[in-house]
Amino acid sequence: AQTVTQSQPEMSVQEAETVTLSCTYDTSESDYYLFWYKQPPSRQMILVIRQEAYKQQNATENRFSVNFQKAAKSFSLKISDSQLGDAAMYFCAYRRFKAAGNKLTFGGGTRVLVKP
Amino acid sequence: SAVISQKPSRDICQRGTSLTIQCQVDSQVTMMFWYRQQPGQSLTLIATANQGSEATYESGFVIDKFPISRPNLTFSTLTVSNMSPEDSSIYLCSVEYRESEAFFGQGTRLTVV
Repeated sequence: AQTVTQSQPEMSVQEAETVTLSCTYDTSESDYYLFWYKQPPSRQMILVIRQEAYKQQNATENRFSVNFQKAAKSFSLKISDSQLGDAAMYFCAYRRFKAAGNKLTFGGGTRVLVKP
Repeated sequence: SAVISQKPSRDICQRGTSLTIQCQVDSQVTMMFWYRQQPGQSLTLIATANQGSEATYESGFVIDKFPISRPNLTFSTLTVSNMSPEDSSIYLCSVEYRESEAFFGQGTRLTVV
């Protein structure tokens, strides 16, 4: 079974600075998707970024980028130029590749605090 | 993207009663998912609902406790039955829109007293 681990329960960052969130996962599959979701106090789960395992290039979405290390089964998220609106819970998630209806497996989450 | 409307957004219920949560999607989707998020915890999948067939439940979740309906391709309900304080959680519905993209409703915060 796949497992996703986020070792940092909470991270604090100064506004405009950079913070990196860690995520490791365990799978026997060779093809899969990885995601970072943001959950603000409103409870809405918002997709931040996704990575296909077959792509070597790290995904980037504006101020958010990932460092995907397939051999190490590591998938970290970097938030650059942090803004107050980035304060939220961040969840790393895994999904099997090309398997319709397959569930997301989530890590335990990391709370990001942004200091003005 | 898919827009998901989930109702109610929150409720406070007496133990022993049941609550039905509704999830409406603005487009037809094959699979709908129901997750539970206990206080301070991550999301755990309860069941997968496919239109026209019985829901598939994850280990630890049973149909008698969490009956699910999926009458058409845009709607599903989750009922939390015979509630106890341990059922106090956020319940979220999710849909798979295009391959690999999951969208979530706003969640239902349930408090059982």
